[in-house]
Amino acid sequence: DIQMTQSPSSLSASVGDRVTITCRASQTISTYLNWYQQKPGKAPKVLIYAASSLQSGVPSRFNGSGSGTDFTLTISSLQPEDFATYHCQQSYYIPYTFGQGTKVEIK
Amino acid sequence: QLQLQESGPGLVKPSETLSLTCGVSGDSITSTSHYWAWIRQPPGKGLQWIGSVYYSGSTFYNPSLKSRVTISVDTSKNQFSLKLSSVTAADTAVYYCARRVGITGTPFAWFEPWGQGMLVTVSS
Repeated sequence: DIQMTQSPSSLSASVGDRVTITCRASQTISTYLNWYQQKPGKAPKVLIYAASSLQSGVPSRFNGSGSGTDFTLTISSLQPEDFATYHCQQSYYIPYTFGQGTKVEIK
Repeated sequence: QLQLQESGPGLVKPSETLSLTCGVSGDSITSTSHYWAWIRQPPGKGLQWIGSVYYSGSTFYNPSLKSRVTISVDTSKNQFSLKLSSVTAADTAVYYCARRVGITGTPFAWFEPWGQGMLVTVSS
């Protein structure tokens, strides 16, 4: 299986901060990488697909980049509603696998 | 607007079979563009893809669970189902159903939308 490793596992940030989350794949996966946001007690929602494509309705402060094995999710200016857990997911190989999640908390 | 809703028992005894159904509303499960998926999340842990099914009945599963998993589709009821046999405490998780969106002919695939999730506890 492809292992997806996110860093950091958690971070504390303030409203207005620029936040960067990293996802690393154990093998190259081209740009077959998606990002999800999950709030407590809720299902995940896709933010970014194909590494850098913004899902319809998602604010433009969310940006995805990367290819190969290293990927980044950036929130340009953190808003109160962005405090959540973020997951990456690869679709290049079966089984689809997810990162362990990065929890973004209020500082 | 497409909506998915999981249903089934919230408590299953060890060694028995977990059975869940996902009802789909707002779109036909026979849409030729999509697969339908089950994904789970143990308490406090990450997400694990269990498997996916096409309206024709074609399936593909996570090899780590394949020997215990059956996913099927009922087009007349616009729903699909999960059966996981010989469960243990390690199968305790929130189980989500979701639509797998993809770009035909490529490995691009993501899950959207998801059902609200259902906690299934394995305990005697």
